Amino acid sequence: DTAVSQTPKYLVTQMGNDKSIKCEQNLGHDTMYWYKQDSKKFLKIMFSYNNKELIINETVPNRFSPKSPDKAHLNLHINSLELGDSAVYFCASSPQKGATHQPQHFGDGTRLSIL
Amino acid sequence: GIQVEQSPPDLILQEGANSTLRCNFSDSVNNLQWFHQNPWGQLINLFYIPSGTKQNGRLSATTVATERYSLLYISSSQTTDSGVYFCAVGGISGGGADGLTFGKGTHLIIQP
Repeated sequence: DTAVSQTPKYLVTQMGNDKSIKCEQNLGHDTMYWYKQDSKKFLKIMFSYNNKELIINETVPNRFSPKSPDKAHLNLHINSLELGDSAVYFCASSPQKGATHQPQHFGDGTRLSIL
Repeated sequence: GIQVEQSPPDLILQEGANSTLRCNFSDSVNNLQWFHQNPWGQLINLFYIPSGTKQNGRLSATTVATERYSLLYISSSQTTDSGVYFCAVGGISGGGADGLTFGKGTHLIIQP
């Protein structure tokens, strides 16, 4: 009965590869998000996605692209992986667009390590 | 964008002690959440508390929105309370990508 689930939990790959992380929520929420937690444990929003509207944090490189096949899924695709992409990536969801008046629910994270 | 500051950055306590963690934010918010990141890296949602006071067992939280701060109280600490505690806010004016803005966290260590 996991609310927000991410796969895989761990991903180890080499620099230059392309990889995807999947996220699914069974809460019926309208909005999904991707966050990045760096090596200093700082968490920062990357994307939010609501009803085909994508809002991108301006600091995110265009090698990162979210893809949503339906409302319950928001996958993160990363091209040409770099060493600096090593981090923990968290998926989240909330009932409404934006961080307004409703709590966000987080997945368990995907630890990405670039060799 | 909105700024979030947490204090103290680090806290070491003996089992059984009480603690207060603080979160200051720079603008009006309509979402404030406290999270506990456990040693396995999971983000556990403790409270959704944009204003007012809530209690859940040994934990309680208070947000004074007009003064732009929130407090998380942990009583009778246990070793399982160890980890990083994050405060995250959503601003009324909207943040980047409409997401939560996180503080840098308080790293809590409870010694037996």
